[in-house]
Amino acid sequence: GESVGLHLPTLSVQEGDNSIINCAYSNSASDYFIWYKQESGKGPQFIIDIRSNMDKRQGQRVTVLLNKTVKHLSLQIAATQPGDSAVYFCAENTGFQKLVFGTGTRLLVSP
Amino acid sequence: GAVVSQHPSRVICKSGTSVKIECRSLDFQATTMFWYRQFPKKSLMLMATSNEGSKATYEQGVEKDKFLINHASLTLSTLTVTSAHPEDSSFYICSAMTPSSYNEQFFGPGTRLTVL
Repeated sequence: GESVGLHLPTLSVQEGDNSIINCAYSNSASDYFIWYKQESGKGPQFIIDIRSNMDKRQGQRVTVLLNKTVKHLSLQIAATQPGDSAVYFCAENTGFQKLVFGTGTRLLVSP
Repeated sequence: GAVVSQHPSRVICKSGTSVKIECRSLDFQATTMFWYRQFPKKSLMLMATSNEGSKATYEQGVEKDKFLINHASLTLSTLTVTSAHPEDSSFYICSAMTPSSYNEQFFGPGTRLTVL
């Protein structure tokens, strides 16, 4: 049988759609946040970061939004492509140089 | 730049043996390296923080005598899983940080350990 927590939340989109992946973080004192992409059998790959003194940062096809009031982080991917299919993790720097990773979201992009 | 490698990428060993995993920063000096463990369909969990020339700092619940960490140089950290058991089978990932980066960690490609 299945157990809660064994399966990652999954977001399924069509190629060309915009994707929004959400993350709730835990520590109100965290001052630096990062989104990582992880493909199967590989290490995390840096996508974009944001510091706590900002609420929005844009990269190439990606935007990160930070809402400190509700401790929420989102990653927006424009014109999603099949190559974007992966697991996406948010991470927060809680101080002492440590990163705490979120649970992850699997993005599936259909051609 | 900022490339981190791990060796081996995959290892299969018998229960009771020890396995060493290497983490190298190829084009920069890493004063701090981190070791993570990741179970299937789960997130990365920090095991320990390794500073060059000093003892590693282990996270709560991680056995320091089982997971030996050595950070002998600014470009190399090793993780040795001693007396491995099947429950130690996992994906082990290292990361490295430079003093100049704003806490940015550069991740290695991971090592898949399977203990039979």
